[in-house]
Amino acid sequence: GAGVSQSPSNKVTEKGKDVELRCDPISGHTALYWYRQRLGQGLEFLIYFQGNSAPDKSGLPSDRFSAERTGESVSTLTIQRTQQEDSAVYLCASSSALASRWAQYFGPGTRLLVL
Amino acid sequence: GEDVEQSLFLSVREGDSSVINCTYTDSSSTYLYWYKQEPGAGLQLLTYIFSNMDMKQDQRLTVLLNKKDKHLSLRIADTQTGDSAIYFCAETDGGTASKLTFGTGTRLQVTL
Repeated sequence: GAGVSQSPSNKVTEKGKDVELRCDPISGHTALYWYRQRLGQGLEFLIYFQGNSAPDKSGLPSDRFSAERTGESVSTLTIQRTQQEDSAVYLCASSSALASRWAQYFGPGTRLLVL
Repeated sequence: GEDVEQSLFLSVREGDSSVINCTYTDSSSTYLYWYKQEPGAGLQLLTYIFSNMDMKQDQRLTVLLNKKDKHLSLRIADTQTGDSAIYFCAETDGGTASKLTFGTGTRLQVTL
């Protein structure tokens, strides 16, 4: 596609439920990133995937958070047993060495609200 | 760890120039970026600068980098109401795929 897409755009869930967020990167981009943005704050890095290398999971806040990526395409971020503090906008980005020297291009985000 | 700081708010009149400032601590930063976020939207890449450059100009945007002071600025000439948004600076220490460390964002308000 022309840009990074994410789904759903909004998700409301009850505390304790699991959620899955999806990201479709720009075609051909080998690197994919997940960030979290709490209300009124900057972005916190969560995890990134680059090609066939092991993902950098150093930003995941707890073991309730996990992510997978199939090859160089779609990624899903899973949050298990959601808590109210997980409420945030989850942003996905992708990049490539050929596209502005690894500059990251962001999707519109998934706004998650945990009640 | 890396730290990136920005002032929270800037108000300018339409037609004036805006200067948004950013300081960072990581001396190994290789690329520095400016992103724009409009209400309810994702982040839009505005421009970026490599650490061996002092300045980059792109239409109304001018980026200045003082590597000695670890200071980055974004100047928007002839600021328009459509420039009202939150502006984030970000840095990465990698020449390849690497996480970005973001500042807290500067809210730019353009008044008539």
